[in-house]
Amino acid sequence: QQQVKQSPQSLIVQKGGISIINCAYENTAFDYFPWYQQFPGKGPALLIAIRPDVSEKKEGRFTISFNKSAKQFSLHIMDSQPGDSATYFCAAANSGGYQKVTFGIGTKLQVIP
Amino acid sequence: DGGITQSPKYLFRKEGQNVTLSCEQNLNHDAMYWYRQDPGQGLRLIYYSQIVNDFQKGDIAEGYSVSREKKESFPLTVTSAQKNPTAFYLCASSIDLAVRGGSYTFGSGTRLTVV
Repeated sequence: QQQVKQSPQSLIVQKGGISIINCAYENTAFDYFPWYQQFPGKGPALLIAIRPDVSEKKEGRFTISFNKSAKQFSLHIMDSQPGDSATYFCAAANSGGYQKVTFGIGTKLQVIP
Repeated sequence: DGGITQSPKYLFRKEGQNVTLSCEQNLNHDAMYWYRQDPGQGLRLIYYSQIVNDFQKGDIAEGYSVSREKKESFPLTVTSAQKNPTAFYLCASSIDLAVRGGSYTFGSGTRLTVV
């Protein structure tokens, strides 16, 4: 059972464009939603995270939008650059108890010049 | 610099062999995890440990074993019982299981190939 559904699995965006990756979750106990960025041959690194008490969080060109009622959240990368080309994972966790994190399937982003 | 060190970066296993992947952290984190990454399948949890001498099975523990004799170390053994071991293996750690859910630090991974 896939508790966090992520789409699309691959994405090609022109340099300067907006990259959008969407995730949906089922477990209403989740209260922490991080995004990880992974470059080829490397481990994922925490990019940005949000809690459900806010609807949006922005860090530089990266923005998370969160819709609690729809149980959906998304990552927007503004002014996408070739250096953003990586695989992005959304995730969800229940921080109140055991911290097991459920990851999405990943989105491979390619930003072309 | 604090972080997680995984070794080796590449590992080749013959059929029927057991191999051990190393994971060491100097972050003073209590919790450690092993994930397997396959194309199109995301990250799947193999084992996790919240304290020394304690570990729990994750979603795909069959064919794997771990130990946690020291806080800093969480080696993973891929046994001959694992029928499809070719994958990218990631070790991660977090401060503990109950705080800051989802804030993992990952190592750079070990790519295991069966030859």
